[in-house]
Amino acid sequence: AQSVTQLDSQVPVFEEAPVELRCNYSSSVSVYLFWYVQYPNQGLQLLLKYLSGSTLVESINGFEAEFNKSQTSFHLRKPSVHISDTAEYFCAVIPEAGGGNKLTFGTGTQLKVEL
Amino acid sequence: DVKVTQSSRYLVKRTGEKVFLECVQDMDHENMFWYRQDPGLGLRLIYFSYDVKMKEKGDIPEGYSVSREKKERFSLILESASTNQTSMYLCASSPGLIYEQYFGPGTRLTVT
Repeated sequence: AQSVTQLDSQVPVFEEAPVELRCNYSSSVSVYLFWYVQYPNQGLQLLLKYLSGSTLVESINGFEAEFNKSQTSFHLRKPSVHISDTAEYFCAVIPEAGGGNKLTFGTGTQLKVEL
Repeated sequence: DVKVTQSSRYLVKRTGEKVFLECVQDMDHENMFWYRQDPGLGLRLIYFSYDVKMKEKGDIPEGYSVSREKKERFSLILESASTNQTSMYLCASSPGLIYEQYFGPGTRLTVT
């Protein structure tokens, strides 16, 4: 079985400041990793994913995440946030093979960007 | 663009009522999912389906059932609603189990 830990339930940050949202996972098998974002009153949408290859992955709106296998982490970063980044962010994993092929989500981190 | 629609954004039901939540996707995806979202608990998988008439239990199936008679439609059924089923319910679809899941806007269900 897999588990995902997002240690920070809320992260307040000022506009144009950098931010890091932490994600750690536990799994007995190799996993694929995802970050989803949920804007207010909307469903979730994929922000970025790591399947293989370069451990640094980027989204189209300036977020990036780095897969660190030794630390079992997939932290999300942005060098300069905007008010429109205010949302809830979910880290998720799915086993590469077997394991039920189900996404396991973390509990989410609410990012609040302030002026 | 993939579109996943859910029949209601807000729903209020009484304890003991039978509740149907409908989800439709328009991209011919094989896989469909039902989650509930609660503050501090994230998303928890209730049921998923990888083909018509096929279903598998997720992590919290108790008190729920599902139906998938057509590929594009996946229904969640609360046989006898209880107050602890008050929650946000999210439907999702995916072309494959390791691929991106596309989510609907959610149904906020209140059971009184």
